[in-house]
Amino acid sequence: NAGVTQTPKFQVLKTGQSMTLQCAQDMNHNSMYWYRQDPGMGLRLIYYSASEGTTDKGEVPNGYNVSRLNKREFSLRLESAAPSQTSVYFCASSIGGRATDTQYFGPGTRLTVL
Amino acid sequence: ELKVEQNPLFLSMQEGKNYTIYCNYSTTSDRLYWYRQDPGKSLESLFVLLSNGAVKQEGRLMASLDTKARLSTLHITAAVHDLSATYFCAAVQGAQKLVFGQGTRLTINP
Repeated sequence: NAGVTQTPKFQVLKTGQSMTLQCAQDMNHNSMYWYRQDPGMGLRLIYYSASEGTTDKGEVPNGYNVSRLNKREFSLRLESAAPSQTSVYFCASSIGGRATDTQYFGPGTRLTVL
Repeated sequence: ELKVEQNPLFLSMQEGKNYTIYCNYSTTSDRLYWYRQDPGKSLESLFVLLSNGAVKQEGRLMASLDTKARLSTLHITAAVHDLSATYFCAAVQGAQKLVFGQGTRLTINP
């Protein structure tokens, strides 16, 4: 099992450009999440999908959109990138609905917006 | 709104010593997680603590939870260099939204 995979690993954008970060999991998990990690701030939740067909905002959703394409895939789109969106983006997944629900993280995408 | 604070944020220690990382959270949480992150890498799950008084141990790491004090601790016993990493705690808001602490960067010197 590959677990949680993300593409691309690195990306450089110019201000105003758009892009989509891809995430896939092969653990048959119901829930998927997108986080951003900035120095000294830990991880912050952008959006999550509790189950296929549903999405909800997290702590910092502005400037982002998401699509839960199917049970395996959850994408994050930046419509018009800004320098403040320079960060490391992590996708995670979990079985959902259990008391011991643990989130498993992908390798991350390092995004720089110039 | 749930807030999670860790201290210290930076910790440099010698091999063989013991130390504790503290994680305070501001409102009730159903469970508390500890993760490890190596530089440039992803997060690895260490522990999930479910109830008051819960204690879990894995090698030289031991985590505990006091829900009344809204405090979790991660204790390192006889530290070794391989434990150098950044450690995060995270509490749960609602059913499954994790709120992370700022992380504790631990450096263990030979």
